[in-house]
Amino acid sequence: GAGVSQTPSNKVTEKGKYVELRCDPISGHTALYWYRQSLGQGPEFLIYFQGTGAADDSGLPNDRFFAVRPEGSVSTLKIQRTERGDSAVYLCASSPQTASRGGYTFGSGTRLTVV
Amino acid sequence: ELKVEQNPLFLSMQEGKNYTIYCNYSTTSDRLYWYRQDPGKSLESLFVLLSNGAVKQEGRLMASLDTKARLSTLHITAAVHDLSATYFCAPRGSNYKLTFGKGTLLTVNP
Repeated sequence: GAGVSQTPSNKVTEKGKYVELRCDPISGHTALYWYRQSLGQGPEFLIYFQGTGAADDSGLPNDRFFAVRPEGSVSTLKIQRTERGDSAVYLCASSPQTASRGGYTFGSGTRLTVV
Repeated sequence: ELKVEQNPLFLSMQEGKNYTIYCNYSTTSDRLYWYRQDPGKSLESLFVLLSNGAVKQEGRLMASLDTKARLSTLHITAAVHDLSATYFCAPRGSNYKLTFGKGTLLTVNP
């Protein structure tokens, strides 16, 4: 597609529930990143995929968070047993390989609210 | 671990004035990005600075990079209301991941 697409744009869930957030990167971009942005803060790195594999998952806060990219394009961020502290905007970005010349294109984000 | 400090965090300017936002980072980085974010919106790429001494300009914004000092600046010339937004710097560290500053909330008043 023309840009990075994230769905849903908004998600309200109850504490303890499971949620999935989807990211559809720009076609042909092999690198995909998830970031989390809390209110009034800069985005924080969660996980980076190169192709199908997670090259760096050091930013995932705990084992309730998991992400997959089974075919090297669409990625899903999964959060189990959601907590109120998980409320944030989850941003996805993609780049051609390692953004050797250009930059990272960010999606519009999914605003997650845990009530 | 790469740490980023941006200042000021809040900046209120009058239209027509000049100001500079500073971005310090703690460890070696191969490039640095500046982004703009409007309320409720995603990140819009402004500049990517690839080497020491790099300077890029677009309209009323000019960004520079000093890799030896681990410092980047975003200079605003003759500010206009349309520049009101939050600005983030983000040096790139290991595994191509970006580390963002807390952002500078810029408000340009008439």
